[in-house]
Amino acid sequence: SAVISQKPSRDICQRGTSLTIQCQVDSQVTMMFWYRQQPGQSLTLIATANQGSEATYESGFVIDKFPISRPNLTFSTLTVSNMSPEDSSIYLCSVGKTGPWEAFFGQGTRLTVV
Amino acid sequence: QQQVKQSPQSLIVQKGGISIINCAYENTAFDYFPWYQQFPGKGPALLIAIRPDVSEKKEGRFTISFNKSAKQFSLHIMDSQPGDSATYFCAAETSGSRLTFGEGTQLTVNP
Repeated sequence: SAVISQKPSRDICQRGTSLTIQCQVDSQVTMMFWYRQQPGQSLTLIATANQGSEATYESGFVIDKFPISRPNLTFSTLTVSNMSPEDSSIYLCSVGKTGPWEAFFGQGTRLTVV
Repeated sequence: QQQVKQSPQSLIVQKGGISIINCAYENTAFDYFPWYQQFPGKGPALLIAIRPDVSEKKEGRFTISFNKSAKQFSLHIMDSQPGDSATYFCAAETSGSRLTFGEGTQLTVNP
């Protein structure tokens, strides 16, 4: 398994500001992902965080709104930029380990935009 | 993203009963089908997973049944307990790629 630490666990932010969420893994992992889970909803993939290169974004998500960094194989950040109340969600970091393939999740960051 | 359809949206079961959650997928390239359990305020936790070369996998009280020709799979929770009350998500993916999740099922097990 993998132990994933996300910071902050929750935050209340003002409209128009930005928040950076950190994801730290206890071991090197090949794949790191960021998901969004809106209240009472399923998980939607935002992007794949690629080590040493630009993240790969899913349809409907753009780099200007959700810039992602992944400087090494154990750490990534997701920034939610120019926030609006519609960005209020839980943001989850996920990592994948091969041999056999498994995906693990952090506890999430509960974001409220007011 | 390719869709994974999950039903029911909510499920109420008596303690000791069997909980059954169903999922259907479209993309035949999917080759890994995990189920996740999520408690309020927590991230999803991997519960059990199956690959399409087997029709059933059992771990304790949890069983996945897989029907490749119908492109369907289901989670059975035997002897359901109040501690099983959570939201369950099925998912599907192609090897090494990202997960596509079902809509989720909120399970309540009454004592």
